[in-house]
Amino acid sequence: EVQVVQSGVEVKKPGESVKISCKGSGYTFTSYWIGWVRQMPGKGLEWMGIIYPGDSDTRYSPSFQGQVTISADKSISTAYLQWSSLKASDTAIYHCARWGDGYKAFDYWGQGTLVTVSS
Amino acid sequence: QSALTQPASVSGSPGQSITISCTGTSSDVGGYNYVSWYQRHPGKAPNLIIYDVSKRPSGVSIRFSGSKSGDTASLTISWLQAEDEADYYCSSYTTSSSFGVFGGGTKLTVL
Repeated sequence: EVQVVQSGVEVKKPGESVKISCKGSGYTFTSYWIGWVRQMPGKGLEWMGIIYPGDSDTRYSPSFQGQVTISADKSISTAYLQWSSLKASDTAIYHCARWGDGYKAFDYWGQGTLVTVSS
Repeated sequence: QSALTQPASVSGSPGQSITISCTGTSSDVGGYNYVSWYQRHPGKAPNLIIYDVSKRPSGVSIRFSGSKSGDTASLTISWLQAEDEADYYCSSYTTSSSFGVFGGGTKLTVL
């Protein structure tokens, strides 16, 4: 059974760093892109970026380029989203999702990780 | 890169049909047959209901259908049911560096 499981809630202060994770199981992790999607409070879904764990090819949405870093450790089937210096405006739920094979859509989603940034 | 354009809200009564539009450009919706639609209930992760413009994943009701004309894609939900009340998002593959883009989302209210 394909599963995408994310790490838990993070509560941070402005300026702090954080790295959240997304573990894939039940499929060949290195053969599927994994994407990250932001949902700010009361707002819609925003495409942040996507990584191919097989060779770490990474693409960022222009809005997020330079603001976050997407990475993957294929040895433990885990993708990451990290910030070096959080802002209050980074408060959101962050979803990771698997990009389907043979069709261009996210077919399996993680449960979401809430990141709250507050002083 | 701009988000795809969706109406903020639509509504319908049980048994009726509704259609949600999703307008992009020739760089995304109009350029590829890679439009997908997601349903998101409050507090839940999004769920894929349509991919490749008009295909349904296994287990998705046949009441959901998709189409595309030019730069605009559409999601139609037939025979509305109370459980269809949710937010719906379109997405498209894009030539931009990001790979993909979402629409702003449409809130469906079943009256």
